[in-house]
Amino acid sequence: DTAVSQTPKYLVTQMGNDKSIKCEQNLGHDTMYWYKQDSKKFLKIMFSYNNELIINETVPNRFSPKSPDKAHLNLHINSLELGDSAVYFCASSQPPILAANTGELFFGEGSRLTVL
Amino acid sequence: DQQVKQNSPSLSVQEGRISILNCDYTNSMFDYFLWYKKYPAEGPTFLISISSIKDKNEDGRFTVFLNKSAKHLSLHIVPSQPGDSAVYFCAARAPWGGSNYKLTFGKGTLLTVNP
Repeated sequence: DTAVSQTPKYLVTQMGNDKSIKCEQNLGHDTMYWYKQDSKKFLKIMFSYNNELIINETVPNRFSPKSPDKAHLNLHINSLELGDSAVYFCASSQPPILAANTGELFFGEGSRLTVL
Repeated sequence: DQQVKQNSPSLSVQEGRISILNCDYTNSMFDYFLWYKKYPAEGPTFLISISSIKDKNEDGRFTVFLNKSAKHLSLHIVPSQPGDSAVYFCAARAPWGGSNYKLTFGKGTLLTVNP
């Protein structure tokens, strides 16, 4: 009963393909995120989603989050490029004002995407 | 522009000694600072946090110190244990409209605790 789960864990694909990474959380959190960890090891936020897109950092529009319901936030990537190779982390949180916490993120295990 | 910097990519300490991991930041809007721990092939997990209005927060073997004037924080682990070997990420929280917040992460520091 993993709190935040991502599939697939590993994905190897060719340039130009379209792929998706799925994310599900069973914590009842309102907000979900996608982070990217590239070869330089920075964890950079890509998207934050709570019923609507809240944060959309400067990622190419080839990347799009899709949320079928509150427990899921999937990441779709079109026309994959070599530079998209990275580890993608899904996360969820409760707003700090509701949970009386710092709004810390709960991360999934990550999905390693390799584009050949 | 790296708003959160962890300048030491790695740190090695002996079991039982103190581990000190450092973090610097540039954005004065950050109101909370968090430390995350990450084992290989796992996602980061929350460890400890500190509000910008405090200068120290302690939780068991872990203490975080904040020097707001220097825009610097540090994580102390005493005593260090081999199971503490992991990558430690410093993160800072900034408001992002309404009740939303954004976490900005550093590059992480790989801590190795030798038996």
